[in-house]
Amino acid sequence: DAGVTQSPTHLIKTRGQQVTLRCSPKSGHDTVSWYQQALGQGPQFIFQYYEEEERQRGNFPDRFSGHQFPNYSSELNVNALLLGDSALYLCASSLEQEDYEQYFGPGTRLTVT
Amino acid sequence: AQSVTQLDSQVPVFEEAPVELRCNYSSSVSVYLFWYVQYPNQGLQLLLKYLSGSTLVKGINGFEAEFNKSQTSFHLRKPSVHISDTAEYFCAVSDPIIPGGYQKVTFGTGTKLQVIP
Repeated sequence: DAGVTQSPTHLIKTRGQQVTLRCSPKSGHDTVSWYQQALGQGPQFIFQYYEEEERQRGNFPDRFSGHQFPNYSSELNVNALLLGDSALYLCASSLEQEDYEQYFGPGTRLTVT
Repeated sequence: AQSVTQLDSQVPVFEEAPVELRCNYSSSVSVYLFWYVQYPNQGLQLLLKYLSGSTLVKGINGFEAEFNKSQTSFHLRKPSVHISDTAEYFCAVSDPIIPGGYQKVTFGTGTKLQVIP
């Protein structure tokens, strides 16, 4: 049973560029949440997708957007990258009726230079 | 609004000694509580969770935690640590299930456990 997978594992971008991160949920899960974990901090909630729609959003600007596909996989897009966007981006999957119990992927380390 | 406070940013402990990692939360409603572990360059792994029932919760890798409602705490304990327990530990809180709704999960800032040989 494959767990949550994310790609790529590492990414280096320049300020102002755009980036897309990808996530495949654990088999059987239908809900995907994205988190940003800055160095030395706990994960901060970005948004959650269920039934291909954004269901909830944290305190992140509109530069952060996402998408969920019919197979429940998801993408996180960040436009106009800032140095402060450098972080580990974590994807977590869950079942809609139990979305407090989240299974995390290994993350994508984004470095903005 | 929910919040989680992990009082210690780093905890050094000798191998085979006991350890307690502290977590306090604030919430206006009853809560679900979690502990996650993060090994270097990896995602988070669920150690244990409290949803309801017995206040003493046992998890993986020999860890346990006790929910104390009056003190709004959920401290993590292990009677004898191993080198392999060196990692960062995150406490998290979530509201109970709202049918059709979203259960926000709020994480603490983490405690780095350093096991010394």
